Amino acid sequence: EPEVTQTPSHQVTQMGQEVILRCVPISNHLYFYWYRQILGQKVEFLVSFYNNEISEKSEIFDDQFSVERPDGSNFTLKIRSTKLEDSAMYFCANNPGTGEDEQYFGPGTRLTVT
Amino acid sequence: QKEVEQNSGPLSVPEGAIASLNCTYSDRVSQSFFWYRQYSGKSPELIMSIYSNGDKEDGRFTAQLNKASQYVSLLIRDSQPSDSATYLCAALSYSGAGSYQLTFGKGTKLSVIP
Repeated sequence: EPEVTQTPSHQVTQMGQEVILRCVPISNHLYFYWYRQILGQKVEFLVSFYNNEISEKSEIFDDQFSVERPDGSNFTLKIRSTKLEDSAMYFCANNPGTGEDEQYFGPGTRLTVT
Repeated sequence: QKEVEQNSGPLSVPEGAIASLNCTYSDRVSQSFFWYRQYSGKSPELIMSIYSNGDKEDGRFTAQLNKASQYVSLLIRDSQPSDSATYLCAALSYSGAGSYQLTFGKGTKLSVIP
């Protein structure tokens, strides 16, 4: 059964540095999402991406964040200048055509900002 | 502000018993609801989806939805120690033009005692 994959599994970076988190969604899925989960807290929506553009973003997704699907397969989340409070698990998710279908999550990237 | 509320637990049940997990949501427009299981340090794993009022059964799991009461529940029959995890309730919101997002509750921690 196809799965969402994410790299790296763990990223440690210094405050102020840029990070790029990568996701390979399930092929032929059309809707892509990023969520994050700060340790001990709930999973929070960051952004949805459909038809090669952002379709929805949360208040968390400020100018420091960007998403891209550069080559039709990878889906990336970039944080331009990381802050301590960006330390969290970041999950990529996707679902097929209707958008109302179940969202399947990747294994996540643990980002630690020091 | 869309909210999904869950009792954080922990909920402890003996092996073989029925575990009952509950969730309420605030957004009356939400039409799709999901239960995810999350083991410590892992990503959410989809276990059930429910879209219509009533019950939906899948193996040992039964999801129940009551849109009038804005209430979703999950029953786990014949609970096993491997069911010990945090169970996340999620409601799907749609705000147009491919804009879907899941709002998660904080999760209920379930412990199944052998």
